[in-house]
Formats: sequence, structure tokens, C-alpha cells
Amino acid sequence: GAVVSQHPSWVICKSGTSVKIECRSLDFQATTMFWYRQFPKQSLMLMATSNEGSKATYEQGVEKDKFLINHASLTLSTLTVTSAHPEDSSFYICSARPTSGGDSSYEQYFGPGTRLTVT
Amino acid sequence: GNSVTQMEGPVTLSEEAFLTINCTYTATGYPSLFWYVQYPGEGLQLLLKATKADDKGSNKGFEATYRKETTSFHLEKGSVQVSDSAVYFCALRLDSWGKLQFGAGTQVVVTP
Repeated sequence: GAVVSQHPSWVICKSGTSVKIECRSLDFQATTMFWYRQFPKQSLMLMATSNEGSKATYEQGVEKDKFLINHASLTLSTLTVTSAHPEDSSFYICSARPTSGGDSSYEQYFGPGTRLTVT
Repeated sequence: GNSVTQMEGPVTLSEEAFLTINCTYTATGYPSLFWYVQYPGEGLQLLLKATKADDKGSNKGFEATYRKETTSFHLEKGSVQVSDSAVYFCALRLDSWGKLQFGAGTQVVVTP
């Protein structure tokens, strides 16, 4: 089946530093990837839609200068949390939508998530 | 705006019990509806979906029917197993790009 990986699975960083999280579709191409943030015992909140070769579309209230998204290839999207602060600590999840059409266009495949802790 | 409301957990059941997780939504237009499951330590997986009113999605013994009149998409399983212990998310699809709006998730714990 379709597999999406995220790296790292967890990271601890100091306040003020930047952290990059990778999202890879391992056995399919994904023109579109999504980045979510999940707080403890809460739902996934969509942060942005990442499209290969173009600028990401951010949801209302998400700072695009703080959460930099790059989707440079059909199998890789990165989320960089710049100048991280403790309030950025969260679980970040990506999903990838296969480029091929048909019924698979409804499918999104989710990565296992990355736990970010900012100290 | 669009929203998804699902029952709070955790829901604790004995093996072979009947499971229902309620999900209601508000949305403009006619969204597609989904149930995702997140097993411990894994990413979300699509469990089932329904794309129009009265559609029934089913998979792995789980079922849910798209009820437009009650704006609901309740998840049911007749006889749960310990392996069904997970967090279940109801979601609606907002646009053709595939943006999803999720409910808060319901943790289900099945005991032997």
C-alpha cells in the first residue's frame, strides 16, 4: 500500500532555533500534500496545502513566515518551523494525495507524525 | 462555517460488544464524509467513506451511512475486537483539492 514517512519522528530544540520536518511519499507521486497540527487530545488542524512547484496555501491564522513549506518534488514536502518557541510544541502530521486520478483522488495517505518539543 | 462534531471518548467496551460513535456535521453544499482510524504509533488510515446522501461506507466490519436529513455519519460495528482499540476520526472533505475538516477524535478501548 501507499506509504508516507516523516522525519524525524520526534525532535527537541531550543527556543529560537529552526527545525525542518520532512514528509515523503515512498511509493507514489503526490502533487498535493497537506500539513496538520494536532494538540493533545484534540483534532487535526489543517495548517497548509502544499503543491509541487508552487507556493503553499496557508489556512487562516497560520503564519506563513513562521511555518515555511517547500514542495520541491513529487515525493517530498518539508515544513520548517522558524524561530521556534515553546508554544510551537505540538504533533505535526503530513498527508499526501496521489497524483493519479480516479477513485484514488479521494485518498490521502498520512505520515506517522513528528513530535516537536521546544524548550 | 464547516464543522464536525463527534462524541467524546474514551469509549471503553468489552470484546464482542456493539460500538457506535456519533458524528454530525455542518457544511455548505454536499461534502464527502470519511472515517479515519489511528492505531497506536501509526498514521491515520482511511477506514471508510461515503460521497453522497444515503451512501453506506463499510470496511473491516465497520459501517456508516451518510444521512443528509440529520447531517450525520455515525460509525457502527456489531462485534468489536481488542485490535479495534484506536482513535477514530470523522471528517468531511471540503473541496476538490482534498482538504479535510476533522472531528476531535474518539478513543476506543476494547478489553478482553
